[in-house]
Amino acid sequence: GAVVSQHPSWVICKSGTSVKIECRSLDFQATTMFWYRQFPKQSLMLMATSNEGSKATYEQGVEKDKFLINHASLTLSTLTVTSAHPEDSSFYICSAQDRVQETQYFGPGTRLLVL
Amino acid sequence: QQQVKQSPQSLIVQKGGISIINCAYENTAFDYFPWYQQFPGKGPALLIAIRPDVSEKKEGRFTISFNKSAKQFSLHIMDSQPGDSATYFCAASYPAGKSTFGDGTTLTVKP
Repeated sequence: GAVVSQHPSWVICKSGTSVKIECRSLDFQATTMFWYRQFPKQSLMLMATSNEGSKATYEQGVEKDKFLINHASLTLSTLTVTSAHPEDSSFYICSAQDRVQETQYFGPGTRLLVL
Repeated sequence: QQQVKQSPQSLIVQKGGISIINCAYENTAFDYFPWYQQFPGKGPALLIAIRPDVSEKKEGRFTISFNKSAKQFSLHIMDSQPGDSATYFCAASYPAGKSTFGDGTTLTVKP
């Protein structure tokens, strides 16, 4: 149990295009999902907290117009990187919080490369 | 100010040895302390977690020791195996679920 999936697992895109990443909790309902960014050999940096049916809460320094987050249901949250640039290239990881046990379960991550 | 400090940055242990990773936190509002294991190119996986009302929790070869007064907690991996070679992150979570992560420890277990 407690499986979180992400799609796609990796994506290469041209500068200026938008990329959507999906995060799904497969066998539990998640009222809260989190989006992280991780650079090589570094820790996870929280970008935003996504609550089902409401606007996401962004961390300081994260551009909400660039990283659009939608949490449409208890099992799905999406992160859209708008007008991507090479500096947006990174490993993006979501996590979903089991609302019963309050445990965060992480997805496998999405590697984004912007050319 | 970093809210969760993790040490060491890297650790090399012989097969069969004990791996010990330490974390210290600042904010007493944290109420959940998980450890995650991450392999290259993969998302973190929950290993074991503890709440502040417990001083120790053991699951198989993994043990968390928690010292509330010192605001420290540690992960002990007994009988370390080459397959345990990975990056380990400690975290501290608020009641609402938002987590702060340590910088990570790269563990290498030599055969």
